[in-house]
Amino acid sequence: DGGITQSPKYLFRKEGQNVTLSCEQNLNHDAMYWYRQDPGQGLRLIYYSQIVNDFQKGDIAEGYSVSREKKESFPLTVTSAQKNPTAFYLCASSVGSAEWDYEQYFGPGTRLTVT
Amino acid sequence: GIQVEQSPPDLILQEGANSTLRCNFSDSVNNLQWFHQNPWGQLINLFYIPSGTKQNGRLSATTVATERYSLLYISSSQTTDSGVYFCAAVMNRDDKIIFGKGTRLHILP
Repeated sequence: DGGITQSPKYLFRKEGQNVTLSCEQNLNHDAMYWYRQDPGQGLRLIYYSQIVNDFQKGDIAEGYSVSREKKESFPLTVTSAQKNPTAFYLCASSVGSAEWDYEQYFGPGTRLTVT
Repeated sequence: GIQVEQSPPDLILQEGANSTLRCNFSDSVNNLQWFHQNPWGQLINLFYIPSGTKQNGRLSATTVATERYSLLYISSSQTTDSGVYFCAAVMNRDDKIIFGKGTRLHILP
């Protein structure tokens, strides 16, 4: 079955540690995205990538880093510089590579708790 | 700044009732999607509807781009419809995608 997978589902880390969240898709989509969701809030864009080896900052990129070495994979690293890292992280993908004008599909998300 | 506003923020209905959820956007859009977030956090695509009307079973959506709003209709609600409904718009001006804060729907048995 085609889809987007994120792992792990739950992640616990100590403050000061970097942590990497996985996102893989087998939909052959060009574009991939990372969002953050806080309780009772909508989604905010962290980073997006329209093609391999290229990515752009979203609205809240500070304290995060990404890479896009393969079309199928778009891992997100939450660094120790992120002041409030505890949140629900969602990865998405879409067919489009040049524009935003494509339907987005989401993975199941990773709940990160930092203490 | 550019905004996407959803109303109502919360809605409690009896099973079998109909509901209308609204999404207003402050600028012209080239992409609008409706999602349902289930209690486990999964975002499920409902409609991709930059303009016009679409129907899928008990759900339908209408976007009137010229008047900058979209509506999601849910008929004969079921308890499984509970969750948070989000709209997300991509603005023509800067291709920026913006999510609304959602409407939390609770269907009582």
